[in-house]
Amino acid sequence: AQKITQTQPGMFVQEKEAVTLDCTYDTSDQSYGLFWYKQPSSGEMIFLIYQGSYDEQNATEGRYSLNFQKARKSANLVISASQLGDSAMYFCAMRGTFGIQGAQKLVFGQGTRLTINP
Amino acid sequence: ETGVTQTPRHLVMGMTNKKSLKCEQHLGHNAMYWYKQSAKKPLELMFVYNFKEQTENNSVPSRFSPECPNSSHLFLHLHTLQPEDSALYLCASSQVASGGETQYFGPGTRLLVL
Repeated sequence: AQKITQTQPGMFVQEKEAVTLDCTYDTSDQSYGLFWYKQPSSGEMIFLIYQGSYDEQNATEGRYSLNFQKARKSANLVISASQLGDSAMYFCAMRGTFGIQGAQKLVFGQGTRLTINP
Repeated sequence: ETGVTQTPRHLVMGMTNKKSLKCEQHLGHNAMYWYKQSAKKPLELMFVYNFKEQTENNSVPSRFSPECPNSSHLFLHLHTLQPEDSALYLCASSQVASGGETQYFGPGTRLLVL
């Protein structure tokens, strides 16, 4: 079974600083995917970035990058030059598998609440 | 992505009521999902529909009944709910492929059961 662990319940960061949100995972699968989502207070889960287990390079999307360390089973999210609008809950998720081909569920961590201070 | 819509956004219901949550995706995807997000708990998968066929029921009580009439619409019918069912219900969709497909979520329905 897949498991995601986010050990930081909350983080406080000054605006314009970089921030790293931790995520470790556990799986026995050889092929898997890792995702980060942002959830503002409005509730919507916003997709940020994806890393496949066979991707050799770390994924980047604008100010977001994923520090993927396969041997350590970690997939930390790095946000550069943080902005006030980055304040939200952040969830790390792993693509789990069903027993048949087709749609695959996501397994989520507990989340980290990020607060950006002006 | 704002291609997944959910209605209503907020719902208050009594334990004897019957209500339905609606989800619609405009992304041309072929899989849709219902997740439940309770306070202080990780998101939990409830149901998955792949090509309109239900492929997963994650031990959800029968008071929750999903319906997927086509690949763009997904409903969650609610009846005789309990106060502990109060939560944020999120719908998502994805395009099933060989792997790596991303799930895109709607804004959610905040449900309060009195």
